[in-house]
Amino acid sequence: GAVVSQHPSRVICKSGTSVKIECRSLDFQATTMFWYRQFPKQSLMLMATSNEGSKATYEQGVEKDKFLINHASLTLSTLTVTSAHPEDSSFYICSAPGTSGGTYEQYFGPGTRLTVT
Amino acid sequence: QKEVEQNSGPLSVPEGAIASLNCTYSDRGSQSFFWYRQYSGKSPELIMFIYSNGDKEDGRFTAQLNKASQYVSLLIRDSQPSDSATYLCAGANNFGNEKLTFGTGTRLTIIP
Repeated sequence: GAVVSQHPSRVICKSGTSVKIECRSLDFQATTMFWYRQFPKQSLMLMATSNEGSKATYEQGVEKDKFLINHASLTLSTLTVTSAHPEDSSFYICSAPGTSGGTYEQYFGPGTRLTVT
Repeated sequence: QKEVEQNSGPLSVPEGAIASLNCTYSDRGSQSFFWYRQYSGKSPELIMFIYSNGDKEDGRFTAQLNKASQYVSLLIRDSQPSDSATYLCAGANNFGNEKLTFGTGTRLTIIP
């Protein structure tokens, strides 16, 4: 089956610094990837849609200058949290749509746990 | 605003019994629905998807969709302790290749 990886799996950074999270589709190409954020005991909230070769589409309320998304190739999207603050501490998960048995499904990465101190 | 609603639980079910999870959605444009299981600290894993009205069975799992009532459910038969997790319902306007709108999730505990 299709595999999506994320790196790093866990990161701790100091307030004010920037953190880059990578999302890779390992055995398929993804022109689109999705970035979600999940706070403790809450559901996944879509942050943005990453489009290969063009600008990302951000959901309402998500600061595009704070959460920089780059989708430079068909297998890699990156999310950079700039000037991170403790309230950005969360579980960040990416997904990419792929086909399985003739139907589409979303393949999720394992997630990145960000802690800002 | 597109919304997917779930009872947050927790829902406790004895081992071997049937667990019933429910979900309603507000967007009539939603075409496809997905049930994900999420263990603590892990990303979601797909259990089933359903596009058409009616029932869809896969092993111990049965998904039900009623587009007129805007209602989706998941039944888990012969519940096992390993089924204890949070179950997320999600909807999409297309058939899985677009962004998903997730419900709040239902925490299920199977009691041995």
